[in-house]
Amino acid sequence: RKEVEQDPGPFNVPEGATVAFNCTYSNSASQSFFWYRQDCRKEPKLLMSVYSSGNEDGRFTAQLNRASQYISLLIRDSKLSDSATYLCVVSSNGQNFVFGPGTRLSVLP
Amino acid sequence: NAGVTQTPKFQVLKTGQSMTLQCAQDMNHNSMYWYRQDPGMGLRLIYYSASEGTTDKGEVPNGYNVSRLNKREFSLRLESAAPSQTSVYFCASSEELAGARGQFFGPGTRLTVL
Repeated sequence: RKEVEQDPGPFNVPEGATVAFNCTYSNSASQSFFWYRQDCRKEPKLLMSVYSSGNEDGRFTAQLNRASQYISLLIRDSKLSDSATYLCVVSSNGQNFVFGPGTRLSVLP
Repeated sequence: NAGVTQTPKFQVLKTGQSMTLQCAQDMNHNSMYWYRQDPGMGLRLIYYSASEGTTDKGEVPNGYNVSRLNKREFSLRLESAAPSQTSVYFCASSEELAGARGQFFGPGTRLTVL
């Protein structure tokens, strides 16, 4: 089993739709959690960290369920500019960042 | 602040040639990383440096060497390039190894080995 797994995608959604991405991790010692976005032919960029109580940044909401070892990202009112690959990343103290394979999102006009 | 910079942006090599990819960060981060990304595959860690003066192998270190020149700079060297090393190479840095503030990436180097 891979350490970090994500929805295989791709997700094709119309503008204005709400879309949710799921991620599971296998290392119960994981302590830090992130969502990155990667545009085509660009570097990954930190979208948001994921906190235990869940957190929101504008149209983006991240949730963490430690008991189920599960992270989610919700995008509301999706825009064309949200089209990208979304990467789930976990880490634990003294260990390296572990990246999921990514889920590609296409927002269609 | 430039963040993480990488040179060159593009490079074409012939099999057997050598080259060094340069990376620098101006965020005073302790940890630095080199990844490769191939089509349809996720990021794979080549080498990392938890702090100045230390380097460790990642998932795919064969065919590469690294140097942590100082706190700012971390270079990746291909001694004898092979077509299998055709890839996009990303350098990244973080405050500390697997730190809670995440990593920041450079723009990448697109390498083709003929």
